Amino acid sequence: AQSVTQLDSQVPVFEEAPVELRCNYSSSVSVYLFWYVQYPNQGLQLLLKYLSGSTLVKGINGFEAEFNKSQTSFHLRKPSVHISDTAEYFCAVSRVSGGYNKLIFGAGTRLAVHP
Amino acid sequence: DAMVIQNPRYQVTQFGKPVTLSCSQTLNHNVMYWYQQKSSQAPKLLFHYYDKDFNNEADTPDNFQSRRPNTSFCFLDIRSPGLGDTAMYLCATSREGGGSYNEQFFGPGTRLTVL
Repeated sequence: AQSVTQLDSQVPVFEEAPVELRCNYSSSVSVYLFWYVQYPNQGLQLLLKYLSGSTLVKGINGFEAEFNKSQTSFHLRKPSVHISDTAEYFCAVSRVSGGYNKLIFGAGTRLAVHP
Repeated sequence: DAMVIQNPRYQVTQFGKPVTLSCSQTLNHNVMYWYQQKSSQAPKLLFHYYDKDFNNEADTPDNFQSRRPNTSFCFLDIRSPGLGDTAMYLCATSREGGGSYNEQFFGPGTRLTVL
């Protein structure tokens, strides 16, 4: 069975500092990997996805993630965060089930950017 | 813009009083999903419609039902809400078929409070 572990429930960081949000997955088959962002009282917005090809994936809002198959990780990074990046971030893995791609989410990481 | 719309954004109901949440989409996607997200937790898939075919997750309580009268609309019915059903309910859509990955697009969510 596939699962996703987000290693940090909360990450406090100062504005303009770099940040890394960690995500590990378990799967015996090839997977698709995603990062979603959720602002307060909002739905989920896709930040970036890894389907195949280059292991370094660039997304919106200056975020990027690196797929590391040997370490089964898909960590999210941003070189310089802004106050507006304060949100909940979810890592997810997709598996094919019944002919469609089922998303399995991690527990989330709350990023708090302080001035 | 093509989008996923959820109404209402906020809903308060009394313990045991039936409630219906609405989702509509202008993307013409053939799959619609309902997720439950409790406070500080990851979204959890309740069920989905693949065209007209209803697919229930094994651990979704019988108290939760869904209807999809046409391609554009999908409803979540909670027959007798309990206090534990207080959560954000997220609707998502995707276009499936063809064997490749297809992104899920999320609505803004309905925050349900059961008193």
